[in-house]
Amino acid sequence: TQLLEQSPQFLSIQEGENLTVYCNSSSVFSSLQWYRQEPGEGPVLLVTVVTGGEVKKLKRLTFQFGDARKDSSLHITAAQPGDTGLYLCAGVPHAGGTSYGKLTFGQGTILTVHP
Amino acid sequence: GAGVSQTPSNKVTEKGKYVELRCDPISGHTALYWYRQSLGQGPEFLIYFQGTGAADDSGLPNDRFFAVRPEGSVSTLKIQRTERGDSAVYLCASSPAGRVNNEQFFGPGTRLTVL
Repeated sequence: TQLLEQSPQFLSIQEGENLTVYCNSSSVFSSLQWYRQEPGEGPVLLVTVVTGGEVKKLKRLTFQFGDARKDSSLHITAAQPGDTGLYLCAGVPHAGGTSYGKLTFGQGTILTVHP
Repeated sequence: GAGVSQTPSNKVTEKGKYVELRCDPISGHTALYWYRQSLGQGPEFLIYFQGTGAADDSGLPNDRFFAVRPEGSVSTLKIQRTERGDSAVYLCASSPAGRVNNEQFFGPGTRLTVL
């Protein structure tokens, strides 16, 4: 079983602060995806990183895939109350076969940004 | 356009009963996934369909759980002899094709409560 350890589990910060969420594994993943989930809704994809060392930016969000494709991070600059939500990392196992797209999720990080 | 829909949104049942959860994927999406999300956790993979066939059912916890997708579109997750531990949000996701890094579009989920 390929596990993803996500940290921290909870994060409560003030508007304008920066934060980083980490996603780590001992296993290699074909790709890592980051999702955001609101209460009562399904996860919504933010980004997919595929290449080791890849960095992607989405406005104030920066995503990085580790060189060995075993870990990833999400950095938010100048957080806003609208960033509040559950952030999930998810990896596609590097196993091939017929399990294409099968996602292994981390436990999630509940982010609260106070105005 | 219409996203992934799931019915019912909430289901309360008694221990030992049978339940069916329905997923309507995005039209034209050939890949369909079921996940289960317990409170405070990330989603956990249950089963993956490519067309009508279950390509990977390795996540189904036991033989009380079964899923079908007879015409390659709508899918039904069936749970027999429900137990209190089955209480969770059941998420369905679809994807244009079962390629490794395809984005999965999630429905809002069905919240199942077993009393």
